[in-house]
Amino acid sequence: SQTIHQWPATLVQPVGSPLSLECTVEGTSNPNLYWYRQAAGRGLQLLFYSVGIGQISSEVPQNLSASRPQDRQFILSSKKLLLSDSGFYLCAWSVSLRGRQPQHFGDGTRLSIL
Amino acid sequence: QQPVQSPQAVILREGEDAVINCSSSKALYSVHWYRQKHGEAPVFLMILLKGGEQKGHEKISASFNEKKQQSSLYLTASQLSYSGTYFCGTEIPNSGGSNYKLTFGKGTLLTVNP
Repeated sequence: SQTIHQWPATLVQPVGSPLSLECTVEGTSNPNLYWYRQAAGRGLQLLFYSVGIGQISSEVPQNLSASRPQDRQFILSSKKLLLSDSGFYLCAWSVSLRGRQPQHFGDGTRLSIL
Repeated sequence: QQPVQSPQAVILREGEDAVINCSSSKALYSVHWYRQKHGEAPVFLMILLKGGEQKGHEKISASFNEKKQQSSLYLTASQLSYSGTYFCGTEIPNSGGSNYKLTFGKGTLLTVNP
């Protein structure tokens, strides 16, 4: 069966520090991968998605970036964090067909910026 | 374009029914429903596809009116475990069909009391 791992579970970082969040999927090949952010009490905002190695689509211009160095690995990064980057970051995967497939979420990373 | 969910919140007693609505201003390729419990990741419930096909949860039903660009989630004989925030995610087609991504509504908070 397929599983998705995200780490770390919680993170407290100072303003201006760098960020690296990692997500890996097991038990499937060539998944679609997604990064979402959820502010407290808010909906899910799509940040990036990827349909293959090295293929990244950005949804929201900001100081975050994403990379997919391997088939089942998705990384969210920032060179300098802002206070507004606080939130709950979720990675998700789906089968690599053209849509109509459920997305399965990792347990998320709760990021607090001080 | 973010779909609009209604109501924003609903409180039920165990055994009562509820309907959650999701409306889009654009034609839809599919509608996805997820439930998120406090502090946890969203969990997939159901997909409704253009053309009438449904995939998902046995104990929860939903409808998809393609013409009205609306979907409704029906929770019958609610249980305590149904409590959580329900999100709809809409998939809008591009010229090639799906564009792989979902846009989520702001969510509906459902509370089921004993």
